[in-house]
Amino acid sequence: GQSLEQPSEVTAVEGAIVQINCTYQTSGFYGLSWYQQHDGGAPTFLSYNALDGLEETGRFSSFLSRSDSYGYLLLQELQMKDSASYFCAVPSGAAGNKLTFGGGTRVLVKP
Amino acid sequence: DTGVSQDPRHKITKRGQNVTFRCDPISEHNRLYWYRQTLGQGPEFLTYFQNEAQLEKSRLLSDRFSAERPKGSFSTLEIQRTEQGDSAMYLCASSSNAGGDTEAFFGQGTRLTVV
Repeated sequence: GQSLEQPSEVTAVEGAIVQINCTYQTSGFYGLSWYQQHDGGAPTFLSYNALDGLEETGRFSSFLSRSDSYGYLLLQELQMKDSASYFCAVPSGAAGNKLTFGGGTRVLVKP
Repeated sequence: DTGVSQDPRHKITKRGQNVTFRCDPISEHNRLYWYRQTLGQGPEFLTYFQNEAQLEKSRLLSDRFSAERPKGSFSTLEIQRTEQGDSAMYLCASSSNAGGDTEAFFGQGTRLTVV
């Protein structure tokens, strides 16, 4: 089976940097995805890492270490609109046809 | 195309009643997924279609749940004899075959409350 662990909540101020860690245990590994979900909204795709290393997309970066079964999402120059829940997820099942999500990290950005 | 749409957005039903939800995926996407999400948790996979074929079902999906995608376009999820434990957000997502499963586009969800 699959399991993903991430912190439940993080609080930071505007302009700060937040790192959300995700450790995973999977029976097969294709890559690690990150999704953002605002309260009442749909999850939206942020990034996907199939290979080790850092992927940067604007203020957000995502890192993967396959040997450590570990990844993180880095949020830089935090803005109030970044207050949301962030989920790590792995493709799983036959040929990675579905996503297994972590429990989510709620990020609260304060002025 | 405005993305994945789900209907209704909210549904309140009495225990024991049947409910049906609809999902219209992004038109060129041949993969469609149903997930369930409870408050403070991540989405949990329920079932997956490629075109009209239902290829995988979670063990979470009891016999009271059934999903269809008759023409490989929209999908419906029916819950029979609803129970209070069925109260959750039901999310639909779609993805294109070309992108593999690295990016799924989610709808806003249908929030079900069973009273």
